[in-house]
Amino acid sequence: GQSLEQPSEVTAVEGAIVQINCTYQTSGFYGLSWYQQHDGGAPTFLSYNGLDGLEETGRFSSFLSRSDSYGYLLLQELQMKDSASYFCAVREDSGGYQKVTFGTGTKLQVIP
Amino acid sequence: SQTIHQWPATLVQPVGSPLSLECTVEGTSNPNLYWYRQAAGRGLQLLFYSVGIGQISSEVPQNLSASRPQDRQFILSSKKLLLSDSGFYLCAWSLRWGHNEQFFGPGTRLTVL
Repeated sequence: GQSLEQPSEVTAVEGAIVQINCTYQTSGFYGLSWYQQHDGGAPTFLSYNGLDGLEETGRFSSFLSRSDSYGYLLLQELQMKDSASYFCAVREDSGGYQKVTFGTGTKLQVIP
Repeated sequence: SQTIHQWPATLVQPVGSPLSLECTVEGTSNPNLYWYRQAAGRGLQLLFYSVGIGQISSEVPQNLSASRPQDRQFILSSKKLLLSDSGFYLCAWSLRWGHNEQFFGPGTRLTVL
């Protein structure tokens, strides 16, 4: 089976940088995605890493190390609106179909 | 542009009653479709996925079922709801090939009393 681990909660100060880690165990690994979900809302896609290295999209960056089964999401210049839950999700090959499995999420609280 | 619709937005149902949640996608063809459930403060649990009309794969055995009568329509059903079926139900779609991103609908918040 597959499993993903990420911290349940993180608190950071407005303007600071925060890193949310994700470790995974799965077979047929294809890539790692990150999603943001505000309370009561639907998840929205942030980034995807299919290869090792860093992907940057504005204030958000995501990193993947396939050999370590590890990735992280880096949020810079934190804003109050970044307070949300962040989910890592593993994309894996499942009998010819690429299935996505989500982690349990990290609740980020940005404080003034 | 693509749009995904879910209804109803909220639903309160008694234990033992039936359920039907509908999801439709506009602006794309042959999407992969997914049903997820999210308990309060928890992650997303994949319930069903579909790669085509009439093709449904179940991830978790339970009293729920799914159907895909049309290419862009995905329905989640139950004959008899349980208290444990309460949660936030999310429908999502992705492209058939190269689908790095899943697009989620607004969700249905179901409370079973």
